Amino acid sequence: GESVGLHLPTLSVQEGDNSIINCAYSNSASDYFIWYKQESGKGPQFIIDIRSNMDKRQGQRVTVLLNKTVKHLSLQIAATQPGDSAVYFCAENRDGGFKTIFGAGTRLFVKA
Amino acid sequence: DTEVTQTPKHLVMGMTNKKSLKCEQHMGHRAMYWYKQKAKKPPELMFVYSYEKLSINESVPSRFSPECPNSSLLNLHLHALQPEDSALYLCASSLQGSGKPQHFGDGTRLSIL
Repeated sequence: GESVGLHLPTLSVQEGDNSIINCAYSNSASDYFIWYKQESGKGPQFIIDIRSNMDKRQGQRVTVLLNKTVKHLSLQIAATQPGDSAVYFCAENRDGGFKTIFGAGTRLFVKA
Repeated sequence: DTEVTQTPKHLVMGMTNKKSLKCEQHMGHRAMYWYKQKAKKPPELMFVYSYEKLSINESVPSRFSPECPNSSLLNLHLHALQPEDSALYLCASSLQGSGKPQHFGDGTRLSIL
C-alpha cells in the first residue's frame, strides 16, 4: 500500500551542528507535506509545511526540501540545540482530502 | 501550554466500563481530529470532524464513538474496550476543515485492564 516512511529511525548530532532528517513517500497524489516534532509526554507540534508546487521552504532555523522526482523530502535544522531532541514525523495530505498520514518517525538525539 | 486541552490526562478502565475522553479548543478552528498512538509508533487517524460533521471514520470499531457537540468540543465515548486499545489518544484541530491538523493536545493515556 501507499505509505510515508523514513530512511533512519535515529539520528545523533553534536550540539551546534546541522541536522538533516529524511522522508520518502510513495503516494504521487500527495501534494502537501507537514513536519511535526513530538517531545516526550507531549502531542505532536507543527513545525513547517510545504506544498508540492514548491521545492523549498524556510522557517526559523528549519528548512524543508521537497524532491518530487524521487518522492523525497527532508527537514534541515540549523545549529541544532538540546531542545531539538525529539521524535520528528513527516506527514502527507492530499489537498482537499481529510487524511493526514504520518510516517514512522525519526528520533533526534543532540549531544552536548 | 497547548491550545488544545484534553481531559483526563490519564485513564484506567476495565473492559466493561463506559468512559469519555474530552477535547476542547477556543481558537475558532473548524476541524477537529482524533488520533491513536501506540508506544514508539506514529499517530494513526481515527476520526475527522469538519464544521461539526463527521467527515472521516477510518474503519474504527464501534466501541469508539465520537461526538462533536459544538465547534469547540470533541468527545470520544468508550465502551467495552479491549486491552489492545490501550494507547495515547490525541486530539487535534485546524483552522479550516482541511484535514491538516495544526494543533495537537498532549493526549489522554488510556490503559484497559
